[in-house]
Amino acid sequence: GENVEQHPSTLSVQEGDSAVIKCTYSDSASNYFPWYKQELGKGPQLIIDIRSNVGEKKDQRIAVTLNKTAKHFSLHITETQPEDSAVYFCAASIRGWGSQGNLIFGKGTKLSVKP
Amino acid sequence: NAGVTQTPKFRVLKTGQSMTLLCAQDMNHEYMYWYRQDPGMGLRLIHYSVGEGTTAKGEVPDGYNVSRLKKQNFLLGLESAAPSQTSVYFCASSYPGPPAGHYGYTFGSGTRLTVV
Repeated sequence: GENVEQHPSTLSVQEGDSAVIKCTYSDSASNYFPWYKQELGKGPQLIIDIRSNVGEKKDQRIAVTLNKTAKHFSLHITETQPEDSAVYFCAASIRGWGSQGNLIFGKGTKLSVKP
Repeated sequence: NAGVTQTPKFRVLKTGQSMTLLCAQDMNHEYMYWYRQDPGMGLRLIHYSVGEGTTAKGEVPDGYNVSRLKKQNFLLGLESAAPSQTSVYFCASSYPGPPAGHYGYTFGSGTRLTVV
């Protein structure tokens, strides 16, 4: 089955710097890669996702890149702000019309943005 | 639109007691999931359901049972709680694909369970 590895487990940056979180997956059939942000005491919330037919996707200060050959994908956060401090999870699954595989999550990265 | 609602938010159980966690969604999602979250372990799938009346085992199903009698509700039961089941439990729901076009999971806010 699918296995998702996520690095680093903790990341500390200065406000305004960029942050990068990397994930690798094992199942070459996986075609859907979402990222979730979990703030303290809350459930994870989808912040961006990418499908395997796209190499990069951006949404304001966040972007995700996908390298299917190497089976890895990354989350990039630019101009970090204190409110970006949270735990971030990557995930992978196989998705298709009318059906979907379960999301397999990485173990999470705790991002701390220091003012 | 409430999304995914979990009850209760907190609970303390004694070893051997039983309880049921309730998850309700109002988005007409077909798929529903129960995850547990432990420090350093990420989110691990306990059980899931792909439609009303169906359930299936996930990665860590032992000690748990589930039921999906109504499309909008997914119940997680602990028949005889053990300290190893101390965790934060999250319910999620999703729609399988187009035409809605949204593949992501919507999570509830979690239930913090302590078994003493």
